[in-house]
Amino acid sequence: KAGVTQTPRYLIKTRGQQVTLSCSPISGHRSVSWYQQTPGQGLQFLFEYFSETQRNKGNFPGRFSGRQFSNSRSEMNVSTLELGDSALYLCASSLASNGGGRGANVLTFGAGSRLTVL
Amino acid sequence: GEDVEQSLFLSVREGDSSVINCTYTDSSSTYLYWYKQEPGAGLQLLTYIFSNMDMKQDQRLTVLLNKKDKHLSLRIADTQTGDSAIYFCAERGGSQGNLIFGKGTKLSVKP
Repeated sequence: KAGVTQTPRYLIKTRGQQVTLSCSPISGHRSVSWYQQTPGQGLQFLFEYFSETQRNKGNFPGRFSGRQFSNSRSEMNVSTLELGDSALYLCASSLASNGGGRGANVLTFGAGSRLTVL
Repeated sequence: GEDVEQSLFLSVREGDSSVINCTYTDSSSTYLYWYKQEPGAGLQLLTYIFSNMDMKQDQRLTVLLNKKDKHLSLRIADTQTGDSAIYFCAERGGSQGNLIFGKGTKLSVKP
């Protein structure tokens, strides 16, 4: 069973550019959550998508957006990049939505996309 | 709001037991989780515990939960150099049920 796949693994952008990151969840998983990981702030929740709908959003500016397709694959986009956006972006998939599942509804994480903004 | 606190570093000798501690604030948390992150990798689930349990054991891992004090711990028996990594505690809480993570404890295992 394939795990969560994130592409690209590494990318370098300059300030003002935009970036799109992709996440393919485990087959059968309908929820995709995105997290930003930085040394200073740790892991911060960006948003969750379930059945092509954004279910939950963290405290990030509108430059951060996402979407989910009918096959559950998800993309996130960051526009007008700032130096502080340099981070590891992690995506995780689960069977049910974060707030609606029964049981532990374990999140399975991908290896992440490391973004460097120069 | 919800918050999860962990100590940042722990150093042990190979063969000793490691105990990583975590405190959380959301008393309505239903599940609590431990994840492991190795360099250059994503997060790997180690174990989780339901909030009505006090203890859960899984091979070398033992999780203890003190719900009254909102304290969670992970004990790794017979710690090996391959256990060197960052360990994250997380609670499933909040109004939307997303995972809230601590800052992580970096475990260093010395031979």
